[in-house]
Amino acid sequence: EIVLTQSPGTLSLSPGERATLSCRASLSVGNNYLAWYQQKLGQTPRLLIYGASSRAAGIPDRFSGSGSVTDFTLTISRLEPEDFAVYYCQQYAFSPFTFGPGTKVDIK
Amino acid sequence: EVQLVQSGVEVKKPGESLKISCKGSGYTFTNYWINWVRQMPDKGLEWMGRIDPSDSYINYSPSFRGHVTISVDKSITTAYLQWSSLTASDTALYYCARQATGHTFDLWGQGTTVTVSS
Repeated sequence: EIVLTQSPGTLSLSPGERATLSCRASLSVGNNYLAWYQQKLGQTPRLLIYGASSRAAGIPDRFSGSGSVTDFTLTISRLEPEDFAVYYCQQYAFSPFTFGPGTKVDIK
Repeated sequence: EVQLVQSGVEVKKPGESLKISCKGSGYTFTNYWINWVRQMPDKGLEWMGRIDPSDSYINYSPSFRGHVTISVDKSITTAYLQWSSLTASDTALYYCARQATGHTFDLWGQGTTVTVSS
């Protein structure tokens, strides 16, 4: 089973700042099948990034994904008020399809 | 409209059985796996397993195999998650999500809240 570790656990930033979230896998994620989801309180997870770096439909270009093999990053170039949420990475290369524990981005 | 619509809130007692549902519409149901994801109160996302509606092939996470049963009725474009004997630790929000082969979860249901309490 691939274990995903996300850091930091919490990121306290102000609107307009840049957010950099990390996701590290215990084994190589084949085909870079790594996704990022955003979940706001009381809402369903929303797909942001798939294939490590491809934005899902309708996702603003301030969200970008990068990385490969075992190290991946989600960057939010300039935080908008609606971006304060929890972000999860997920690998879908090998069953079981595991999620990371999440990074909470909150308002400083 | 492309959507997954899940069944409503459930409140059950320990030892009771339960079957919750996830109905797909607006797309070709048999072209996408249906996954089930658990979210315990104030916790993260856990993948439980998935089913291919075209042939009912199932992948279970080792953490959930033997504790739940995933099934599908493609004639009514509906997938199911069921328990034969609930415990308090099954209290959670359960999501279904569709997945094309080689892709990730691009469409999620609204979630079904299950509360198990005596």
